[in-house]
Formats: sequence, C-alpha cells, structure tokens
Amino acid sequence: NAGVTQTPKFQVLKTGQSMTLQCAQDMNHNSMYWYRQDPGMGLRLIYYSASEGTTDKGEVPNGYNVSRLNKREFSLRLESAAPSQTSVYFCASREGYEQYFGPGTRLTVT
Amino acid sequence: AQRVTQPEKLLSVFKGAPVELKCNYSYSGSPELFWYVQYSRQRLQLLLRHISRESIKGFTADLNKGETSFHLKKPFAQEEDSAMYYCALSLMNTGFQKLVFGTGTRLLVSP
Repeated sequence: NAGVTQTPKFQVLKTGQSMTLQCAQDMNHNSMYWYRQDPGMGLRLIYYSASEGTTDKGEVPNGYNVSRLNKREFSLRLESAAPSQTSVYFCASREGYEQYFGPGTRLTVT
Repeated sequence: AQRVTQPEKLLSVFKGAPVELKCNYSYSGSPELFWYVQYSRQRLQLLLRHISRESIKGFTADLNKGETSFHLKKPFAQEEDSAMYYCALSLMNTGFQKLVFGTGTRLLVSP
C-alpha cells in the first residue's frame, strides 16, 4: 500500500516551459488536493477534486490547471512556468477528517 | 475571513523542557482544528485533532473558543520531536473538507 505517490521528486524548468506533476493514490479516496508550500507561507491550496470528474479552484489557482483522470490520479499542469512557481508541491487525498500527503515535488523555475 | 496564525517561525528548547506551540484562528463558525507534523525527510502527517481530545506522542492541544486558540503542548520535549508543525482549520462546504494552514513553526529540541 504505497499511499499517495508523486512524480517527479525534483524538477528544474526554464521560464515559459510547461510540465505536469503526477499524483496517484491507492486508498480509494474520493477527495484529492494540490498544495504548494513556500517558506513563511505554509501550505496553500491550489486546486482540489471532491470526486472523479470534478475539480475546483483553491486559494492560489492562477497559472495552474488540473485533471482528475480517474479516481486514483490527479495531475497538476503548469502551462508556462514562472519563477514565482518555484515551490514544493504536495498532493493529498482524504478519508474522513484526515488528509494523507504525498512526499512532494520540489520545483525550481529559472 | 478564515485565518490561522502561528506567531513563531522557530521554537528552540532543550530536551526535557516544556513546549508550547501557539496557534490562533479566525473563523465565524464552529471550528474544527488539527495539528499536522512534518519530520525531516518524512511526509506531512496528522498529529492530532481537537475533537478527539487525545494525547499523541505526549502532545495535547485544547481548543479555547474564548481566546480562539489551539496551542500544542508537551510537558517534556524529546529530541525526536524536532519537526515542522502546522496548525490547520477545517472548512466544510456541502460535506467537502478544505484545510487552511498556518505558516508553521519549526521546533528544534537540543540535547
């Protein structure tokens, strides 16, 4: 039981490049989330998905898109990366009151 | 607006000393609060939930609605408690949970 997995672990992009962060969970959870973690700012919600086929914006959605491909997978896409998107990105899924987090993706945009 | 405030970025204590990590919240409804912890090289994980009123790894947290606080306490800190601690407020909308996190406090316990 791997829980929540994220790929890649690290990524360096140049400004303007695009990429997709992958997230999958094997716990059969309906709800999934994408957060970014920045020093001094804690975790901020980018997008979330209450169930397969639905997605909604969180606190900081600008510059991102998401796809809930199926119940297991929830991907985050940066269409044109900017230095302000340098961050650590966490995916999470939820059962009941508890959110389960992935190991994170450290993204640097130069 | 809903907000969670953790005033200390870093809290440094010696092993065996008491620890209190502060958390204050702003929320007009009935709050549900959590503490999440991230140990070095580990995932963010739930430490405790105010409703359960239990002690986890020696930590407790009491919700004080009058002071809008949910401080995390431990009477005797251990080196393995060194980690990043986040206080989080749960917002429920039509049965869906969103968490609002504080900015986090790094606890450093020295021998």
